[in-house]
Amino acid sequence: DADVTQTPRNRITKTGKRIMLECSQTKGHDRMYWYRQDPGLGLRLIYYSFDVKDINKGEISDGYSVSRQAQAKFSLSLESAIPNQTALYFCATSDLQGTETQYFGPGTRLLVL
Amino acid sequence: GENVEQHPSTLSVQEGDSAVIKCTYSDSASNYFPWYKQELGKRPQLIIDIRSNVGEKKDQRIAVTLNKTAKHFSLHITETQPEDSAVYFCAASLRSGGYNKLIFGAGTRLAVHP
Repeated sequence: DADVTQTPRNRITKTGKRIMLECSQTKGHDRMYWYRQDPGLGLRLIYYSFDVKDINKGEISDGYSVSRQAQAKFSLSLESAIPNQTALYFCATSDLQGTETQYFGPGTRLLVL
Repeated sequence: GENVEQHPSTLSVQEGDSAVIKCTYSDSASNYFPWYKQELGKRPQLIIDIRSNVGEKKDQRIAVTLNKTAKHFSLHITETQPEDSAVYFCAASLRSGGYNKLIFGAGTRLAVHP
């Protein structure tokens, strides 16, 4: 689904570095989400935003922050990366007016050394 | 908060057999239950969903059943094919304070052997 894009697709960083993962969508959806995926743990919600002025913490927000720069853009930052933040990160969107279907981006694979 | 448990974590079947994946949820107010399929190296994609006012839904070879009393729902895949091999995630959605968010199960890795 090319309507939801993430950059970078892969990133290697060192402990203590600040990094930003970016998500853009052309679907015109109001709602955007950040998840992390770890083997055996499924998809866990980090933050979600239901419009530009709305930011909410998910299950595992500690160590992360987000910015909703525009309806189409939602960025995830790791303030000071640590090795247990090594994971696959997905952005997703859904439509306020439509079904609750979430459309996922291609994912960003992050390795923290 | 809502918790979703999914079983089994891995499932291996022969091509043509049926596969069943089960999930339980904790919050009786949950009202929407989607299933996502994630192929190797790909993003999760919705394959079927069901709402709390429906007991069963079918789409070709896949079906989902919901038992609200027992708070569990299941995915059934019939006549499995090798391309059904993937990780499947169930989820439950809870509306709280005007917000809907999905809580996902841990996933089931399905392998279909020719």
